[in-house]
Formats: sequence, structure tokens, C-alpha cells
Amino acid sequence: KTQVEQSPQSLVVRQGENCVLQCNYSVTPDNHLRWFKQDTGKGLVSLTVLVDQKDKTSNGRYSATLDKDAKHSTLHITATLLDDTATYICVVGDRGSALGRLHFGAGTQLIVIP
Amino acid sequence: GGIITQTPKFLIGQEGQKLTLKCQQNFNHDTMYWYRQDSGKGLRLIYYSITENDLQKGDLSEGYDASREKKSSFSLTVTSAQKNEMAVFLCASSTLTGGSTGQLYFGEGSKLTVL
Repeated sequence: KTQVEQSPQSLVVRQGENCVLQCNYSVTPDNHLRWFKQDTGKGLVSLTVLVDQKDKTSNGRYSATLDKDAKHSTLHITATLLDDTATYICVVGDRGSALGRLHFGAGTQLIVIP
Repeated sequence: GGIITQTPKFLIGQEGQKLTLKCQQNFNHDTMYWYRQDSGKGLRLIYYSITENDLQKGDLSEGYDASREKKSSFSLTVTSAQKNEMAVFLCASSTLTGGSTGQLYFGEGSKLTVL
């Protein structure tokens, strides 16, 4: 059973537009949530980590929220660029150490067009 | 800055063949992981290792062996390649707290094709 669901599955936006990616999960316990960016044919690069019960982070044009009560996270990308074209993956960790398990979503494929 | 290097980037084998993927990291991280990425699915853990000579099975370990002979390297062997095993294999490394706010880095992946 999939414990991390991401939506939409894919998304096309025009350069300069904003977009919001969603992540819903059922992982318990939910120690933290991380968003990764994966360019085609490349590895995963961490964008941000959320830890608190209700958390917000900001990293340049990327901002994220986490609500552990709702088991829901969002990733906002402001003023998209062509280089933002990638798959964005939501990952929920059940512990705060490497001994815990990471639960990966299937990703949202974002395509930014001129 | 550090780097994780996976070799080979592309691996083609015959059904039933034994195939080995290698991963090297220079972050001096204690923990290393092997994940499998199939199209349309989330990454699944095959093996991980929290220190040299340690091995821990993940959810997908059947049909695979792993080896952590040095802190900096972690190898994965497909013991008998099957056609439904065509996927991308991703290596990662982390500090012991890499599960939360610690460092967690991925290699670029090794794509396996079985003929």
C-alpha cells in the first residue's frame, strides 16, 4: 500500500508562473518530511527538510509547508524557470536517524515551457 | 564538496547473469544505501549499511547481495538478473542523522537493462 501520495502526477506551467505541488501521507510515526528535485537521468537533490508539527521553510524560490495533524505537505515554486523542469519527490522519514525508514512518493513531473 | 560516484552508469546484461554495481562516496559518511527506482513508483530500499562491514536488508533485498568492505564504498550485486529487473539503481550516503536534518546525498544512478 502506497503510504506517500503526490499530486498532481504531472504539471505543465509557463515560465514565470507559480505552482504548488501536494504530498499526502499515512506514514506513522512521521519524524520529518523532505522534498527532493530529480533532473532527468540524475540523482535526487534535497531542497528542504520539514520537522515540526506545523512547519514552514523557504529556500530561494522554493517554499514548503508541513502539517503533521493533516499529514500533508506542499511545495511552492515561485516564478518558475526552464531549469525547474524536473521530477519533485516527497519523502517521509519515520525516525530521526539513519536507522529509520524513508518512504518515497512516486513524484510530480513538472514541465516548464517558454 | 563531496561526491557520490556510481559505476557503471549503464549496465547491460543477459537474463540469469550476475551483475555488480559499485558506489563510492568521499563525504566520510557512516551510512550508505542502495535504492531501486522503477518508473511511476517511489524509491524502494534494497540494502543499507550503517558502518563498514555492516549490512541491513531493506524491503526489496531478495535477489540481491551487498558488500561494504570500506567506509567509502558500497557494492550491490544482482545475483541472477531477470527481465523485470530493468530499473535505475540509486546509491545514497548520509550522516547517522541523515534521516532527518542531517546530510543525505544521492548518486546519479545506474540504469540496468536485461536482454
